[in-house]
Amino acid sequence: AQTVTQSQPEMSVQEAETVTLSCTYDTSENNYYLFWYKQPPSRQMILVIRQEAYKQQNATENRFSVNFQKAAKSFSLKISDSQLGDTAMYFCAFMSSPGGNEKLTFGTGTRLTIIP
Amino acid sequence: NAGVMQNPRHLVRRRGQEARLRCSPMKGHSHVYWYRQLPEEGLKFMVYLQKENIIDESGMPKERFSAEFPKEGPSILRIQQVVRGDSAAYFCASSPGPGTTHGDTQYFGPGTRLTVL
Repeated sequence: AQTVTQSQPEMSVQEAETVTLSCTYDTSENNYYLFWYKQPPSRQMILVIRQEAYKQQNATENRFSVNFQKAAKSFSLKISDSQLGDTAMYFCAFMSSPGGNEKLTFGTGTRLTIIP
Repeated sequence: NAGVMQNPRHLVRRRGQEARLRCSPMKGHSHVYWYRQLPEEGLKFMVYLQKENIIDESGMPKERFSAEFPKEGPSILRIQQVVRGDSAAYFCASSPGPGTTHGDTQYFGPGTRLTVL
């Protein structure tokens, strides 16, 4: 079974700074997908970014980018120019994809606070 | 394009009652997933359905829990004879399915907060 580990329960950073959230996972599969979801105080789960394991290029979405290290099974999220609205729980998630459309396995989350 | 809709947003039940949670996927999405989030924890997979079929129910408790996704209407997660340990946030997600760009990406609803008294 796959496992996802987020070793940073809480982090805080000053507004406009850059912050990196770590995520490691364990799998014996070669092809899979990785995701970062954000859960603000409203509790809505919002997709931040998506990475396909067969793609070597790191995914980026505006101020959000990932550092995907397949050999190390590491998938960290970097938030540049952090904003107050980035305050939220951040969950890393894994999906195996033999046929796609599989369940998501989530980490325990990192609570990120952006300080004004 | 409306997002994933869930209702009710908040549900209070007494021990022994039944809880019915509804999920309407995004337009054009035929795959529905249910997850449960206990306080201060991550989301845990419960069940994956396509229209009229349960594809994977490996995360569903063996008793009292059931799910359906009929040909017409929303997906329903049903919890019979609720106990206090069922208190949690229940999230529904949907995806378009294979054959579409990012067909595997799951988009979440706002969740239903179930409180069992």
